[in-house]
Amino acid sequence: TQLLEQSPQFLSIQEGENLTVYCNSSSVFSSLQWYRQEPGEGPVLLVTVVTGGEVKKLKRLTFQFGDARKDSSLHITAAQPGDTGLYLCAGAPGAGSYQLTFGKGTKLSVIP
Amino acid sequence: DSGVTQTPKHLITATGQRVTLRCSPRSGDLSVYWYQQSLDQGLQFLIQYYNGEERAKGNILERFSAQQFPDLHSELNLSSLELGDSALYFCASSVVDHGYTFGSGTRLTVV
Repeated sequence: TQLLEQSPQFLSIQEGENLTVYCNSSSVFSSLQWYRQEPGEGPVLLVTVVTGGEVKKLKRLTFQFGDARKDSSLHITAAQPGDTGLYLCAGAPGAGSYQLTFGKGTKLSVIP
Repeated sequence: DSGVTQTPKHLITATGQRVTLRCSPRSGDLSVYWYQQSLDQGLQFLIQYYNGEERAKGNILERFSAQQFPDLHSELNLSSLELGDSALYFCASSVVDHGYTFGSGTRLTVV
């Protein structure tokens, strides 16, 4: 069974601060995705990373896939209250399989 | 609106009962996935259907079953409900780019 460990589990920061959340596994994934979920809603896809070492930027969010495709990080610059939510990473096991394994998430609160 | 429609949004039922959750995937998506989300376990994969056929099974209890119909909508049937089945149930659909589009979920409360 492939597991994804996310850290930290909870994060509360002031508006304007930077933060990084981590997603780690002992397994290799063919791709890794990050989602954000708000209360009462389903997760919304932020990004998919496929190549080891890949870095993708989405405005103030920077996503990195580890060289060995076992881990990933999400860095947020100058966090805003609108960034508040549950951040989930999810890994796809291999070619031809689109069943995702999700981490338990990092709950981020950005205080104005 | 994500394009994935789930009904009902909330469901309260008694132990031992049976319920059906419904999902209409995004137009053009052939795959439907069902996930259960609880506070302690996170998002757990239940089952996947592709174009009407079961493609993969995860941690789905024998009391649970699903199907996908010719119009591609899917139903998740939960029977002999227990208190521990209370959770959010999400449906997601996808094409082949590994990205899921989730519905807003059904919150099931078993009392």
